[in-house]
Amino acid sequence: GAGVSQSPSNKVTEKGKDVELRCDPISGHTALYWYRQSLGQGLEFLIYFQGNSAPDKSGLPSDRFSAERTGGSVSTLTIQRTQQEDSAVYLCASSSQGGQGMETQYFGPGTRLLVL
Amino acid sequence: AQSVAQPEDQVNVAEGNPLTVKCTYSVSGNPYLFWYVQYPNRGLQFLLKYITGDNLVKGSYGFEAEFNKSQTSFHLKKPSALGSDSALYFCAVRPHSGNTPLVFGKGTRLSVIA
Repeated sequence: GAGVSQSPSNKVTEKGKDVELRCDPISGHTALYWYRQSLGQGLEFLIYFQGNSAPDKSGLPSDRFSAERTGGSVSTLTIQRTQQEDSAVYLCASSSQGGQGMETQYFGPGTRLLVL
Repeated sequence: AQSVAQPEDQVNVAEGNPLTVKCTYSVSGNPYLFWYVQYPNRGLQFLLKYITGDNLVKGSYGFEAEFNKSQTSFHLKKPSALGSDSALYFCAVRPHSGNTPLVFGKGTRLSVIA
């Protein structure tokens, strides 16, 4: 079946502009995660959605970052007033309901964001 | 808080030789441990995970990893490296209890030399 998809695959924007990144999880997966991968760094957790529960926003680096998940499926990560340090690859992952942390997260191809 | 260390930024191995990519972790209680691989301009692909039970876990593409509780390690291994194994490898950990995010190491770049 279809995996996690993300769009756009690449985004170039100017400093100060807002950007929206989209994630379509695997059908039926109730958990959705956003991560940021900067050059030379590991994956940095940003936000986590599980079903209808309130999202875990503990990883968002500033109030310029926000995310929503509509209808328990598609998610949008929004970065307002982008800064050059926001340049990174933004990865989305989803996992099926159940388990206590043992479930496997499946990743999309990522969106490569470049802020000029 | 949990953490993962991948002590080698880069590992070079000759094709056909065995390879090891090291990972140590720190977590409260028992861990769930994962290995992912990332090819250029691609997302992460799941390789294998340790949940409980047998300490030796076998995964995709001939990879395996051994959970060692006393050494808090989960090294990734393959008996015979292929050129196509050249990629970036990430180890990740999550504790059994609590609702905490998966924590990743910084990654190890594996280069298989012909």
